[in-house]
Amino acid sequence: QVQLVQSGAEVKKPGTSVKISCKASGYTFTTYAIHWVRQAPGQSLEWMGWVNAGNGNTKYSQTFQGRVTITRDTSASTAYMEVSSLRSEDTAVYYCARVPYYGELWFDPWGQGTLVTVSS
Amino acid sequence: DIVMTQTPLSLSVTPGQPASISCKSSQSLLHSDGKTYLYWYLQKPGQPPQLLIYEASNRFSGVPDRFSGSGSGTDCTLKISRVEAEDVGVYYCMQSKQLPYTFGQGTKLEIK
Repeated sequence: QVQLVQSGAEVKKPGTSVKISCKASGYTFTTYAIHWVRQAPGQSLEWMGWVNAGNGNTKYSQTFQGRVTITRDTSASTAYMEVSSLRSEDTAVYYCARVPYYGELWFDPWGQGTLVTVSS
Repeated sequence: DIVMTQTPLSLSVTPGQPASISCKSSQSLLHSDGKTYLYWYLQKPGQPPQLLIYEASNRFSGVPDRFSGSGSGTDCTLKISRVEAEDVGVYYCMQSKQLPYTFGQGTKLEIK
């Protein structure tokens, strides 16, 4: 079945970086986009950006432009998201999700989420 | 950015009774292709969101038929005809008409 499996929880200090992975299985990786969404504790969902898994092109939310980098490794069917210059407000669960390039732009499935805690 | 506003923010419903959630967008979500790019997701406790409704009114595969979506333009609604215990969680609307994609604040559904 189609599945996205994310890397495990991370604890980071302010000012450092974190890189989260999202491994896809059950479909041809390059035929869908991977989007990233985060959810701060008790808050709603916030879209961060996406990568075209086929050609590697990316788009980011202005909120995260310059601090977030999304990449992919087609040989490993894995997408990555790196957040730099971490601050306490970046403490959140980060999700990846598969999205078609065209047509029904639904997010399905989602990864299980990766908790990133930023604390000194 | 398109702002998504959900009401109410919380619901307490007796099993078997209906429930309704409204989602209003600051801009029309009706695309020139005729589709309304409004989606409904349910996030059950401790889980990632799961897709319920796509393009405002289409039930996703495997979603029970007690869930329905309606509306277009700037006003959409999610209805549950008869709430069941497994429907508890937070419901989110999301627009994917234009980047950045944006979500509503969420509506928490509890069972009485």
